[in-house]
Amino acid sequence: NAGVMQNPRHLVRRRGQEARLRCSPMKGHSHVYWYRQLPEEGLKFMVYLQKENIIDESGMPKERFSAEFPKEGPSILRIQQVVRGDSAAYFCASSSSGTRTQYFGPGTRLTVL
Amino acid sequence: DQQVKQNSPSLSVQEGRISILNCDYTNSMFDYFLWYKKYPAEGPTFLISISSIKDKNEDGRFTVLNKSAKHLSLHIVPSQPGDSAVYFCAASVGTGNQFYFGTGTSLTVIP
Repeated sequence: NAGVMQNPRHLVRRRGQEARLRCSPMKGHSHVYWYRQLPEEGLKFMVYLQKENIIDESGMPKERFSAEFPKEGPSILRIQQVVRGDSAAYFCASSSSGTRTQYFGPGTRLTVL
Repeated sequence: DQQVKQNSPSLSVQEGRISILNCDYTNSMFDYFLWYKKYPAEGPTFLISISSIKDKNEDGRFTVLNKSAKHLSLHIVPSQPGDSAVYFCAASVGTGNQFYFGTGTSLTVIP
């Protein structure tokens, strides 16, 4: 039973480019969460999605960031016009309906040059 | 506003002894808590959970205690060198909601 998959594991972008981060939840999980970890900090919640729905995006920056979890395919976190401050590790977690525990993927490390 | 706090950034323990990692929180609405272990360049790995209505949960060498107001502790006994990692405490309110994470405690188990 594969765990949460994230790709790419490492992503380098220049300022102004777009970054797309992908997350495939564990089999049978319909809830996806995105977190960001800045250097020397804990994980900060960004967004919570179920299939085709954004449930809670209270942690998402108001501009440049968007997320989706389509009916088919992985969840996508999209960052437009990246800036150096976007450099961080982005983690995806998933859970199944009715359970509280979230299982994390290996993360995508974004570096903005 | 850091609602979950891990005030010890680091901890060193001799192999075979007990490791105690602490976690404090400010939001009295938190009703579910998780501990994660994280190695460098990897995602957090779930260790153990506890709900606010219980005061103890055990899983092998890992025990989480919830006996003091707004305070949790993770006990690892006996500690092993492979336990060396960063440990995060996380808390949530209600089902399906976000978790609030502490800043982590880096545990080093000395052989």
